[in-house]
Amino acid sequence: AQSVTQPDIHITVSEGASLELRCNYSYGATPYLFWYVQSPGQGLQLLLKYFSGDTLVQGIKGFEAEFKRSQSSFNLRKPSVHWSDAAEYFCAEGHAGNMLTFGGGTRLMVKP
Amino acid sequence: EPEVTQTPSHQVTQMGQEVILRCVPISNHLYFYWYRQILGQKVEFLVSFYNNEISEKSEIFDDQFSVERPDGSNFTLKIRSTKLEDSAMYFCASSLRVDYEQYFGPGTRLTVT
Repeated sequence: AQSVTQPDIHITVSEGASLELRCNYSYGATPYLFWYVQSPGQGLQLLLKYFSGDTLVQGIKGFEAEFKRSQSSFNLRKPSVHWSDAAEYFCAEGHAGNMLTFGGGTRLMVKP
Repeated sequence: EPEVTQTPSHQVTQMGQEVILRCVPISNHLYFYWYRQILGQKVEFLVSFYNNEISEKSEIFDDQFSVERPDGSNFTLKIRSTKLEDSAMYFCASSLRVDYEQYFGPGTRLTVT
């Protein structure tokens, strides 16, 4: 069965600092991988996706993620965090792009 | 920018009552999904729907649940007889193709008392 692990439940960073959120997936030689963000009271907004090709993918709001098959990882990064980035971030894996399996989420807090 | 919409934003119902959660997917999308998120837990897949049929469903999606696309724009999730443990945020999503990204609505918070 698929599983997606986000090892960090909470992360706090200072505004302007760099950010890396970890994600490990367990299924598939060629996974479909996604990062979504959920602000309080809001739905899930797609940040970026990886289907194939270039292992470094760019997303919205200045985020990027790198697919590393050897580590079964798809970590999300941002070089300089803004206070508005405070939210919960979910990594997800698609099985044939149909059912998504989500990680448990990482709640990001940004210190001024 | 096209978006998925859901109504109502919050529904309170008594145990044993039927509820219908409504979604309007993005207009040219062909694949539709329901997920739920119990407070403090992971987002969980419930069901996917294509060409007026369920294409995949999880163990959660038992006989108490049903989905329907009653017309060309709406996609509904019905819970026949709600239980306390059905209290959750329910998200609708849609995608253009089965191997494309899914776009989520804002969710309906269902509270069963």
